[in-house]
Formats: sequence, structure tokens, C-alpha cells
Amino acid sequence: DADVTQTPRNRITKTGKRIMLECSQTKGHDRMYWYRQDPGLGLRLIYYSFDVKDINKGEISDGYSVSRQAQAKFSLSLESAIPNQTALYFCATSGKREGSIPYNEQFFGPGTRLTVL
Amino acid sequence: KNQVEQSPQSLIILEGKNCTLQCNYTVSPFSNLRWYKQDTGRGPVSLTIMTFSENTKSNGRYTATLDADTKQSSLHITASQLSDSASYICVVSARAGTALIFGKGTTLSVSS
Repeated sequence: DADVTQTPRNRITKTGKRIMLECSQTKGHDRMYWYRQDPGLGLRLIYYSFDVKDINKGEISDGYSVSRQAQAKFSLSLESAIPNQTALYFCATSGKREGSIPYNEQFFGPGTRLTVL
Repeated sequence: KNQVEQSPQSLIILEGKNCTLQCNYTVSPFSNLRWYKQDTGRGPVSLTIMTFSENTKSNGRYTATLDADTKQSSLHITASQLSDSASYICVVSARAGTALIFGKGTTLSVSS
């Protein structure tokens, strides 16, 4: 979805390096998420944020940190990358529930393929 | 433990044929179930979202069903096209506003 962009799209780095993945959205959504996807596994939630002042750990937050610089921007950092952080990383956004609809649809970015050597 | 299991893991069909993908879940309490399509190298895109009270929902050639009693869902694809080749992911929400639980996906290949 072009409304959710991720940079870089591909990155190769070395063990111990600090790396930042960035996500921007033009959908006007309050909620933003970071997931990782590994071959043969479902997407797993790393961190999520419901607004600029709200940061929450997900299922697998160890080794990661995030920053919500603005409503439209949510970055993921690996302070000291390790090989088992090699994965496909997705950012997603969702808006507040509308009316009687009891769910928030999530919209995903195109992903960042990260390789840690 | 909340889990979402999908079957088959992979599937190959001929263009024009129909197919059905399965999803079983043990998520409780249940809020809603989603089917996503993920093309290779792309992010997942939502196909359908169903709540407890809905037992079927269609999106073009895609029809999802939900049996909340048996905790099963299926995604039926009619008259498959080459562009249907993708991974189809079943996702369940335990409670509105909380984290989603993703299945591992079914990889569908449509050949001519």
C-alpha cells in the first residue's frame, strides 16, 4: 500500500552494527506497528504505538527499540544487530474504530528485508 | 495458548480451478478473523474481516466462511487466476484493539 512506506527496502549489515528502519504513513492513522516475518513462521509483533506518546512492547521486543517521532512516523532500531535478526520487517497502521465496527483494519507497508552477517 | 493453524502448507492448482484453504484457531475470547493475501516481496493485504456474528463474507472471487462454534474458517477461491499465486494468511484477534495472532500461511501456486 503506497500510503505506508518503509525505508530502506533492503539492508545488509554486520553483527554489532546499529541500524534503523523507518516507516511513514499518509493515512492519518493513530496506530502504528512493527512486525517481523521469518520463513515458515507467522508475523510476530515487535512494538506498537497508539499515539505519539504511547509505546508498547509486543511479543518479541528484546533487542529492539522504537521511536514515534510524529503521528506519521514510527522507526525501529536494532542497537546491536545479530544474525538471528535477519528477517523481513513490516510496518503497519490502523485507525480508530468507526461507529459500530468492532475492529481496526491494519494496512501494511511493503517491508524491509534485513540481513545481518 | 492462542494459536492459528492453517492447512495445507502449500497448494498447486491449475488456472481456472477452485480451491479452499483452511484455518483452525484456539484463540479465546474471539473478536474477529481476517484473511490476508501476501504477494512475494510485498506486505499483506486484507481480503476479508469477519466478526463472531458473521459466517460468510465475499470479496470478488474470494469467499471466507467462519464457524465460531468449531473455531474453523475457510477461504474459497473461485476460478483461480495466475495472479492468485501468493501466500494466504489467516489472522485472529483475541479482543478488539489487541494484538493479532497470525497463522503461518498457505502458499498457493496457480499454474497455466
